[in-house]
Amino acid sequence: KAGVTQTPRYLIKTRGQQVTLSCSPISGHRSVSWYQQTPGQGLQFLFEYFSETQRNKGNFPGRFSGRQFSNSRSEMNVSTLELGDSALYLCASSIGSVSGNTIYFGEGSWLTVV
Amino acid sequence: AQSVSQHNHHVILSEAASLELGCNYSYGGTVNLFWYVQYPGQHLQLLLKYFSGDPLVKGIKGFEAEFIKSKFSFNLRKPSVQWSDTAEYFCAVNAGGSQGNLIFGKGTKLSVKP
Repeated sequence: KAGVTQTPRYLIKTRGQQVTLSCSPISGHRSVSWYQQTPGQGLQFLFEYFSETQRNKGNFPGRFSGRQFSNSRSEMNVSTLELGDSALYLCASSIGSVSGNTIYFGEGSWLTVV
Repeated sequence: AQSVSQHNHHVILSEAASLELGCNYSYGGTVNLFWYVQYPGQHLQLLLKYFSGDPLVKGIKGFEAEFIKSKFSFNLRKPSVQWSDTAEYFCAVNAGGSQGNLIFGKGTKLSVKP
């Protein structure tokens, strides 16, 4: 059974540009969450989607957005990139969106903003 | 606001030594608790989880953790570490809200000397 797949794995962008990251959850999983990992702030929750609806949002500016498609695949977008957006972006999936389900993480997308 | 504290930033042990990594959280209600491990160059993997029931939970690779509600703690233990346990360990809490919203500690790097 394939795990959580994220693309691209590595990318470099310039300040002011925008970026879209993609996540394919484990087959049968309907909940997808996104996290940002940096050396200074650690792992921080960005948002969660379930059945194409955003269920929760972390404390990030509006430049960070996401969506989920009917096949549960998800994308996140960061507009007007800043140097501080350089990070590892992790996607995680679980079967449902209720307590008791294990969350599985992908390998992440490394974003460098120059 | 909910938070998770991991007491040690970096722990260095010799093989066969015993391990205990501290984790405390701040939330007065029902919590789900997790320990994740990130081996060098790999994605986050679930070590163990606590949802309810026996507060002593056993995970993979000989790890266990004890939930002490009165102390808001969920410490990770292993009686005898191996060089292959070298990794970064993250404690996480899901406190209320939906499943995908995990609050992570800053992580503890474990280095095991052969």
